[in-house]
Amino acid sequence: AQRVTQPEKLLSVFKGAPVELKCNYSYSGSPELFWYVQYSRQRLQLLLRHISRESIKGFTADLNKGETSFHLKKPFAQEEDSAMYYCALSDNAGNMLTFGGGTRLMVKP
Amino acid sequence: EPEVTQTPSHQVTQMGQEVILRCVPISNHLYFYWYRQILGQKVEFLVSFYNNEISEKSEIFDDQFSVERPDGSNFTLKIRSTKLEDSAMYFCASSRQGYYEQYFGPGTRLTVT
Repeated sequence: AQRVTQPEKLLSVFKGAPVELKCNYSYSGSPELFWYVQYSRQRLQLLLRHISRESIKGFTADLNKGETSFHLKKPFAQEEDSAMYYCALSDNAGNMLTFGGGTRLMVKP
Repeated sequence: EPEVTQTPSHQVTQMGQEVILRCVPISNHLYFYWYRQILGQKVEFLVSFYNNEISEKSEIFDDQFSVERPDGSNFTLKIRSTKLEDSAMYFCASSRQGYYEQYFGPGTRLTVT
């Protein structure tokens, strides 16, 4: 069975500080991993996926198969980054996403 | 930019009643999904739908649940006889293909009293 764990429910940082949101997964196959973000009163939207290797809004995430992790990082947090962040894993067929519990990021001025 | 829409935004129903949640996926998308999120818990997968049939379903998606694409635009989730524990936010999503990005709707909050 596939599982995604986000150990921190809440992460609070000051503006300009580095941010790392942790995500660990368990999956027997080759995983497809995503970070979704939900800003206040908005819908879930894709932030980035590991296969594209892009940096979106200054965020990056590296898949570490040895540690089964896909942590989300940003060197300098901005107040507008405050949101709920969900790590998600897709099965081999792309039929479903398994979500972590989410981490609420609060960036203080 | 096209978006997934869901109606209603909030539905209140009594235990034992049937409810139908409606979704309009993005028009050129082929894969459709339902997820739910009970307050304070994870977003959970319910079902995926492709080519007019269910392609995957979770343990949550029992005989009380069904999905349908009654016409070329709508995608519905029916709960036949609601229970208190069905109270949750229900999200519809769609994607162009199975591995592509899933686009989520704003959700329907279902309250069962």
